[in-house]
Amino acid sequence: QKEVEQNSGPLSVPEGAIASLNCTYSDRVSQSFFWYRQYSGKSPELIMSIYSNGDKEDGRFTAQLNKASQYVSLLIRDSQPSDSATYLCAALSYSGAGSYQLTFGKGTKLSVIP
Amino acid sequence: EPEVTQTPSHQVTQMGQEVILRCVPISNHLYFYWYRQILGQKVEFLVSFYNNEISEKSEIFDDQFSVERPDGSNFTLKIRSTKLEDSAMYFCANNPGTGEDEQYFGPGTRLTVT
Repeated sequence: QKEVEQNSGPLSVPEGAIASLNCTYSDRVSQSFFWYRQYSGKSPELIMSIYSNGDKEDGRFTAQLNKASQYVSLLIRDSQPSDSATYLCAALSYSGAGSYQLTFGKGTKLSVIP
Repeated sequence: EPEVTQTPSHQVTQMGQEVILRCVPISNHLYFYWYRQILGQKVEFLVSFYNNEISEKSEIFDDQFSVERPDGSNFTLKIRSTKLEDSAMYFCANNPGTGEDEQYFGPGTRLTVT
């Protein structure tokens, strides 16, 4: 059973601070990982993908992957009130013949306090 | 930037009725997916579709569910006889050629079964 675990929060940070979101996954075969942002009542919006061990930076966002520890994280620098949302971690599984599927965590709710 | 679109945005139906949810994927994307999210729960994989056939389906995707790509552009999810527990947001997603790429989600259809 493939599982992705996240702390559901809520995580509250003051505006301008760094928000740190964490995720662990159970399927050692997973090679691709994604962070999505989901506002209430809306669909998941892709914000970061990461495929290799180490860090990947895109603007205020940095994703980190450690496959040995089966751990993925997302750092948001200079947090803004508009970053307040639920952040979903997802792991991609492949089972052959075009069979890809994302397994999502429950998400971490982030509140950025002005 | 091209986007995935879905119709209707909200569907209300009575238990036992058939519903068809429609998606227009990003053109030239080859992999298509349906996910659902019951209110307050995680996003769950339903089915993946590649090369005009189902490539993977979850335990949720039982005989009441079917998918089609009838005209090379639309991608539909049919629920033959809806149950109360089918009430959820249904998201269509797709990605381009390799399958390992990021999946882009449509805005979703909120299905309410009464």
